[in-house]
Amino acid sequence: EVQLVQSGAEVKKPGESLKISCKTSEYSFTNYWIGWVRQMPGKGLEWMGIIYPDDSDTRYSPSFQGQVTISADKSISTAYLQWSSLKASDTAMYFCARRPRYCSSFSCLDYWGQGTLVTVSS
Amino acid sequence: QSALTQPASVSGSPGQSISISCTGSSSDVGGYDYVSWYQQHPLKAPKLLIYDVTDRPSGVSSRFSGSKSGNTASLTISGLQAEDEADFYCSSYTSSGTVVFGGGTKLTVL
Repeated sequence: EVQLVQSGAEVKKPGESLKISCKTSEYSFTNYWIGWVRQMPGKGLEWMGIIYPDDSDTRYSPSFQGQVTISADKSISTAYLQWSSLKASDTAMYFCARRPRYCSSFSCLDYWGQGTLVTVSS
Repeated sequence: QSALTQPASVSGSPGQSISISCTGSSSDVGGYDYVSWYQQHPLKAPKLLIYDVTDRPSGVSSRFSGSKSGNTASLTISGLQAEDEADFYCSSYTSSGTVVFGGGTKLTVL
């Protein structure tokens, strides 16, 4: 069964860096886009960006361009989301999810990770 | 890019049908047949219900259906069940090559 398993919850201080992971299994990692979605406490879903692991082609939402970096390591079938300098407003749950081949755009995501809660507080 | 507009809440009784709207613009919903719908139960990851406006992934109940007219897409749930109570989100591909979600709709089953 396809699985996306995300790294555990993080508590960080403002200004610190962070890299969270999304380890995938039971499908061809390099041939499916992987997206990241933010959900701030009590709020809705926000599309952050998406990466194609085979060639690292990456697209970012204008709201997140320059604020985060999405990457992937083909050798271990893992995608990443990283920050160089966290802010309190980055406190949120972050989900990774796979874009299925049957979907015609980046709009649909079928298999999701369990989410990584990131808390940024001084 | 602004979030797509959804009603904050809808409600219905078991067995009834309800619809949730998702309004965007010609740059997203109206411009492409690339609208998806998700269901999210509390503290859970979202679940894909509808993609490409009307299509259902394998395993999703036929009680869920999607449609679109102009800049507004809709999700209809027929034969409402208690387990349908959740938050629902639409999303659409946009002319900038990215994706925008709706603000979410809380469904209450009375």
